[in-house]
Amino acid sequence: AQTVTQSQPEMSVQEAETVTLSCTYDTSESDYYLFWYKQPPSRQMILVIRQEAYKQQNATENRFSVNFQKAAKSFSLKISDSQLGDAAMYFCAYRSAESYNTDKLIFGTGTRLQVFP
Amino acid sequence: GAVVSQHPSWVICKSGTSVKIECRSLDFQATTMFWYRQFPKQSLMLMATSNEGSKATYEQGVEKDKFLINHASLTLSTLTVTSAHPEDSSFYICSARETGLAGENYEQYFGPGTRLTVT
Repeated sequence: AQTVTQSQPEMSVQEAETVTLSCTYDTSESDYYLFWYKQPPSRQMILVIRQEAYKQQNATENRFSVNFQKAAKSFSLKISDSQLGDAAMYFCAYRSAESYNTDKLIFGTGTRLQVFP
Repeated sequence: GAVVSQHPSWVICKSGTSVKIECRSLDFQATTMFWYRQFPKQSLMLMATSNEGSKATYEQGVEKDKFLINHASLTLSTLTVTSAHPEDSSFYICSARETGLAGENYEQYFGPGTRLTVT
């Protein structure tokens, strides 16, 4: 079974600085997707970024980028130029791309990010 | 963008009663919807996968008779917590997968969640 581990329960960053959130996962599959979701105090889950395992290039979305290391099964999220609105819970998630099990999202335990002015 | 709504956003019920939570995809059709449960300061746990026109698939450890799921149309899935007890108090989140997108290249769109408190 696949597992997702986020070893940092809490992180903090100064406004305008850069922070990196860690995520590791375990799987025997070769094809899968990885996601970072943001959950602000409103509890609405928001997709931040996604990465296809077959793509070597790291995904980037504006100030958010990932460092995907497939061999090490590592998927970290870098937030550049942090803003107060980035404060939230961040969840790393895994989804299989195998045809028999493509739907389930497996979430990590989350990292609470605080942003200080 | 795709929008998923949930109703109610919060509900308080007495122990022993049943409560129904609705999940709707507002601007797209969803063959598959998912129900998650989230305890305070914890992650989302998948409870079940809801497929339109067929029985839901429950995750291990989730009581089918307690958490009834109905996905009667392409835009609506409901979760009914039967004979609710205080330990069922939690935050319930649904998500929906858009129908028609081929292969694995689709997104799950999340609802805003429903906070259930059982007294």
